[in-house]
Amino acid sequence: EVQLLESGGGLVQPGGSLRLSCAASGFTFKNYAMAWVRQAPGRGLEWVTAITGSSSGTYYADSVRGRFTISRDNSKNTVYMQMNNLRGDDTAVYYCVKIGPEEIGEYAFEIWGQGTMVTASS
Amino acid sequence: TVMTQSPATLSVSPGERVTLSCRASQSVNSKLAWYQQKPGQAPRLLIYAASARATGIPIRFRGSGSGTEFTLTISSLQSEDFAVYFCQQYNYWPRTFGQGAKVEIK
Repeated sequence: EVQLLESGGGLVQPGGSLRLSCAASGFTFKNYAMAWVRQAPGRGLEWVTAITGSSSGTYYADSVRGRFTISRDNSKNTVYMQMNNLRGDDTAVYYCVKIGPEEIGEYAFEIWGQGTMVTASS
Repeated sequence: TVMTQSPATLSVSPGERVTLSCRASQSVNSKLAWYQQKPGQAPRLLIYAASARATGIPIRFRGSGSGTEFTLTISSLQSEDFAVYFCQQYNYWPRTFGQGAKVEIK
């Protein structure tokens, strides 16, 4: 069974930093792109960032470019998101997502973790 | 690419047929997905490639369309289908979602 388990969320002051982690299991992690998607309280979904299986490509929403960094460690089946200079409008549940079904050339958000809450507030 | 869903809210009775629309501001070919989200839960992929059902999704969910106009049809609404539905394009960066459509009990 494919599972994604996020960790690292919490309360941080504006301007602070957090690193989110997502531990993956149940699939050949290195073969799949991964992404982070967020959802502010009571709001819709916003794609944040994505990374290819080999880490050769990374992509960012304009709202986080230059502040957030996605990375992965395929030896640990884990994807990370370093969040710096956090702002109030970054407050959201952050979901880790497996992209696919990549084996047939599709890049939807195939599997979602349960999410971790990040609150940027003083 | 702006994704626009309609209607924003739909009040229906169990057993009724539901049709949700999603329009893209430019052609996304067939790189369109639909997700279902229930309160307190993560979204779940229902449809990808505009019309392909994801693993384990019941056949009452049907996606159609291409280019800029897409539709999600639920043939006979079950109690577990009351939720918010999002469309999303994955043809371009940044990936973008519609604002969501809430299907509620009439």
